[in-house]
Amino acid sequence: GENVEQHPSTLSVQEGDSAVIKCTYSDSASNYFPWYKQELGKRPQLIIDIHSNVGEKKDQRIAVTLNKTAKHFSLHITETQPEDSAVYFCAASLANFGNEKLTFGTGTRLTIIP
Amino acid sequence: NAGVTQTPKFRVLKTGQSMTLLCAQDMNHEYMYWYRQDPGMGLRLIHYSVGEGTTAKGEVPDGYNVSRLKKQNFLLGLESAAPSQTSVYFCASSYRAPAGTEAFFGQGTRLTVV
Repeated sequence: GENVEQHPSTLSVQEGDSAVIKCTYSDSASNYFPWYKQELGKRPQLIIDIHSNVGEKKDQRIAVTLNKTAKHFSLHITETQPEDSAVYFCAASLANFGNEKLTFGTGTRLTIIP
Repeated sequence: NAGVTQTPKFRVLKTGQSMTLLCAQDMNHEYMYWYRQDPGMGLRLIHYSVGEGTTAKGEVPDGYNVSRLKKQNFLLGLESAAPSQTSVYFCASSYRAPAGTEAFFGQGTRLTVV
């Protein structure tokens, strides 16, 4: 089955700086790569996703890049703010009609230092 | 719109006791999932369902059973609870779509088995 590795497990950055979280996946057939943000004591919520036919996607301060050849994808957060502090999870799946086998990474705890 | 609702939010069980966790969604989603979240291990899929009356095993199904008698509900059962099942359980749901799509999570159930 799919295996997703996520690095780093913890990340601290100064407010205003950029943060990058990287994930690798094992199944070359995977075609859907979402990122979820989980604030302390809350439920995971989707912040951005990318499909395998796209190399990059941006949404304001958040961007995701995908390298299918190397089987890795990354989350980039620019101009970080205190409210960006949370745990971030990457995931990968071979999605035919739904997220049947969505496999998550182990998470990155991001701390923004004021 | 309630989204995805889990019952109960907290529970303490003694080893060997049984219980059922209820997940209800009001978004008419075809797909429903049960995950467990443990420190440092991300979210791991227990069981999932692609439609009413159907269920399938995920990554860590042992010790759990599920049922989906109605489209809006997905039940997770523990027949004989063990301390290793102490975890936070999340239910999620998503549309059936040609490719991956956002999974909406419930608020979680914190289960402690003593």
